[in-house]
Amino acid sequence: DGGITQSPKYLFRKEGQNVTLSCEQNLNHDAMYWYRQDPGQGLRLIYYSQIVNDFQKGDIAEGYSVSREKKESFPLTVTSAQKNPTAFYLCASSIGLLLAKNIQYFGAGTRLSVL
Amino acid sequence: ELKVEQNPLFLSMQEGKNYTIYCNYSTTSDRLYWYRQDPGKSLESLFVLLSNGAVKQEGRLMASLDTKARLSTLHITAAVHDLSATYFCAVDKTSGSRLTFGEGTQLTVNP
Repeated sequence: DGGITQSPKYLFRKEGQNVTLSCEQNLNHDAMYWYRQDPGQGLRLIYYSQIVNDFQKGDIAEGYSVSREKKESFPLTVTSAQKNPTAFYLCASSIGLLLAKNIQYFGAGTRLSVL
Repeated sequence: ELKVEQNPLFLSMQEGKNYTIYCNYSTTSDRLYWYRQDPGKSLESLFVLLSNGAVKQEGRLMASLDTKARLSTLHITAAVHDLSATYFCAVDKTSGSRLTFGEGTQLTVNP
């Protein structure tokens, strides 16, 4: 089955700790995205990548880092510099930004909490 | 900066009634998307609207786009409980840019 797999589903972070959220897709999509969703709010873009080995900051990149070494994978690291990391994190992918229909397909999400 | 606003943010309606959710955006856009999110779940794509006057329908939901007014509507016909969810609209500023999402409309359909 083609899709986007996020892991883990739940994650707990201790103060001062870096944690990494995994996102893997087997849709052969070029573009991948990370969003943060706080309770009762919309999605805010953290980082996105249009192609392997390239990525751009979104609206709230501070305290986060990403890599895109493989087309299928776009892991997100929440660093200790992110002082309020508790949120629902969603990964998405799309065929490519330059196509007429840039429909994004979403993973099931990772819920991050601070201990 | 592209801004996307939805209203209402909360909508409680009875089964069998009709209602419309509005999505306004601040700058010229090529593409508008509607997504659905069930509580605690991920987002599911509903519609993509690519041109002025575009209309898409799926079951009890119909979406339309007026690019001159920078407005999209999501019309719900004869609502049923299964439609209870949060609905998001999202906009590309220009082809090749990333999506900007509205705040979402939380819809509750009561028996």
